[in-house]
Amino acid sequence: GAVVSQHPSRVICKSGTSVKIECRSLDFQATTMFWYRQFPKQSLMLMATSNEGSKATYEQGVEKDKFLINHASLTLSTLTVTSAHPEDSSFYICSAARGTSYEQYFGPGTRLTVT
Amino acid sequence: AQTVTQSQPEMSVQEAETVTLSCTYDTSESDYYLFWYKQPPSRQMILVIRQEAYKQQNATENRFSVNFQKAAKSFSLKISDSQLGDAAMYFCAYKNPPGATNKLIFGTGTLLAVQP
Repeated sequence: GAVVSQHPSRVICKSGTSVKIECRSLDFQATTMFWYRQFPKQSLMLMATSNEGSKATYEQGVEKDKFLINHASLTLSTLTVTSAHPEDSSFYICSAARGTSYEQYFGPGTRLTVT
Repeated sequence: AQTVTQSQPEMSVQEAETVTLSCTYDTSESDYYLFWYKQPPSRQMILVIRQEAYKQQNATENRFSVNFQKAAKSFSLKISDSQLGDAAMYFCAYKNPPGATNKLIFGTGTLLAVQP
């Protein structure tokens, strides 16, 4: 149990376009989902925390108008990178937590390349 | 603010040997959670082991065990009988207790190589 999927696993888009990444909890209801960004050989950097039905809480320095997060249901959260630029190229990872559980279940990640 | 420090960017161990990865953290909380995650080349984050701060007993999971020193704010991971499949990036992580923020704070990671 506690499987989290991400789609797509990798995406290439042109500069200036927007791209949407989906994160789904397959076998549990995720009251909280997290979005991370990871550069090569670096740690995970938390971008935002989203609770179902409410606005996401963004970490300092993360542009909320550029990285749109929607958590419309207990099993789905989406991250939309708007007007993507090459510097947005990165590995994006989501995780999900249920209730007050301390454990986060991670998705397999999405590699975004902006050309 | 809480911080997590991993002072070993890279480590190497011979197959079947034992290796210890270091992690220190800083917090003013008395109750919290600590984790070790493994990230293999596939980049899927895998939970290796967790420790609740209120528990004095060190957590163990098969070949993986921790040395949790609360007063020293140290949380090292020992891998016994290392296997080739243990080669990965290992991240130490901290989480506040329930009721506080749910977010994980990660260290910078230790890249573990296992030599055959």
